[in-house]
Amino acid sequence: DAGVIQSPRHEVTEMGQEVTLRCKPISGHDYLFWYRQTMMRGLELLIYFNNNVPIDDSGMPEDRFSAKMPNASFSTLKIQPSEPRDSAVYFCASSLSNYGYTFGSGTRLTVV
Amino acid sequence: AQSVTQLDSQVPVFEEAPVELRCNYSSSVSVYLFWYVQYPNQGLQLLLKYLSGSTLVESINGFEAEFNKSQTSFHLRKPSVHISDTAEYFCAVSEWNRDDKIIFGKGTRLHILP
Repeated sequence: DAGVIQSPRHEVTEMGQEVTLRCKPISGHDYLFWYRQTMMRGLELLIYFNNNVPIDDSGMPEDRFSAKMPNASFSTLKIQPSEPRDSAVYFCASSLSNYGYTFGSGTRLTVV
Repeated sequence: AQSVTQLDSQVPVFEEAPVELRCNYSSSVSVYLFWYVQYPNQGLQLLLKYLSGSTLVESINGFEAEFNKSQTSFHLRKPSVHISDTAEYFCAVSEWNRDDKIIFGKGTRLHILP
């Protein structure tokens, strides 16, 4: 298995632009999570899905952030419009029930 | 709701010396416990986990952690560290029979000194 695959690895964009981050979870996993990591705030859970259904989006910082999971093999996290304070590393993780997550390598987002 | 406290944000230790990274949790129900490691510029990797059974769990690279229910702790130890252990270590907890959300601690950065 190739693990959790995130794209792109790096994204540099200008303030105000739309940014879309992508994630392919491990086949057969029924949970998918989006995290954001910064030096100041550490690792923050943004949203997670179970069987493609959003369960808890209380960590999404603002309406500028949205996430979708149209099928079991794909999810997106979108920021529109982006702001410099959104600069962070965004991680996707998937799991099968309660036995620990597998993380992707992350997308390093820089908004200038 | 469950929570995780990692008491040390940074731990410096000399190479080949022993190390302990502390983790305490709070929860009103039974829990699963995890340690994750993040090497520089990489994602988090599962290091070891406690689900049930023996309270002492081990990883393939010499780390071990012991679940202590009375002290609500899950400290990570290694008897002799190597320069390659330089990383950030995250303790995490999830609750039995609940949704799969795992709560992470703020992390402990392990510095190996030559």
